[in-house]
Amino acid sequence: AQRVTQPEKLLSVFKGAPVELKCNYSYSGSPELFWYVQYSRQRLQLLLRHISRESIKGFTADLNKGETSFHLKKPFAQEEDSAMYYCALIRWGKLIFGQGTTLQVKP
Amino acid sequence: DAGVTQSPTHLIKTRGQQVTLRCSPKSGHDTVSWYQQALGQGPQFIFQYYEEEERQRGNFPDRFSGHQFPNYSSELNVNALLLGDSALYLCASSGQGDQETQYFGPGTRLLVL
Repeated sequence: AQRVTQPEKLLSVFKGAPVELKCNYSYSGSPELFWYVQYSRQRLQLLLRHISRESIKGFTADLNKGETSFHLKKPFAQEEDSAMYYCALIRWGKLIFGQGTTLQVKP
Repeated sequence: DAGVTQSPTHLIKTRGQQVTLRCSPKSGHDTVSWYQQALGQGPQFIFQYYEEEERQRGNFPDRFSGHQFPNYSSELNVNALLLGDSALYLCASSGQGDQETQYFGPGTRLLVL
């Protein structure tokens, strides 16, 4: 069965520190993976998808098929990065989400 | 473009009642998906509508049903409400050019007492 696991419920870092939000998946085939973000009082929005290989707001994510991971990274965290982050994969139009990680960036 | 809109924003019902939630997709989008997000959990897929038909369904009972209208807007209906149906219900839309990028609405928060 397809599954997405985000092992950390909360990640707390200081401003300027590197950030890595972990995501592991189980999927038979070539997965299409996404990171979604939800800022306080805002709707869920797409941050990036692996197929586009873009860097959005300084975040990047590399698909590692050997480790079945799609970790989200940023070299220098900003306070405005504080939010809930969800990793997801898509199969037949259906998004399968992890449980989410709250990122707290302290001043 | 206001993006995906949902109504109402909040709703309180009692057990056994029925509820209808509404969603208007982003302009130019023809596919609507519904998700349930319980507190502290990631969204769970309920079903997806395309060309007024249910195209995909998640692991939800038949009490959950939906509809899509010719203008692509959609409704989610839940019958015989249970306390466990209390959640945030999210609607997402996607379009012909990129079916896999889904844009989410603000959600409807349902509380069942």
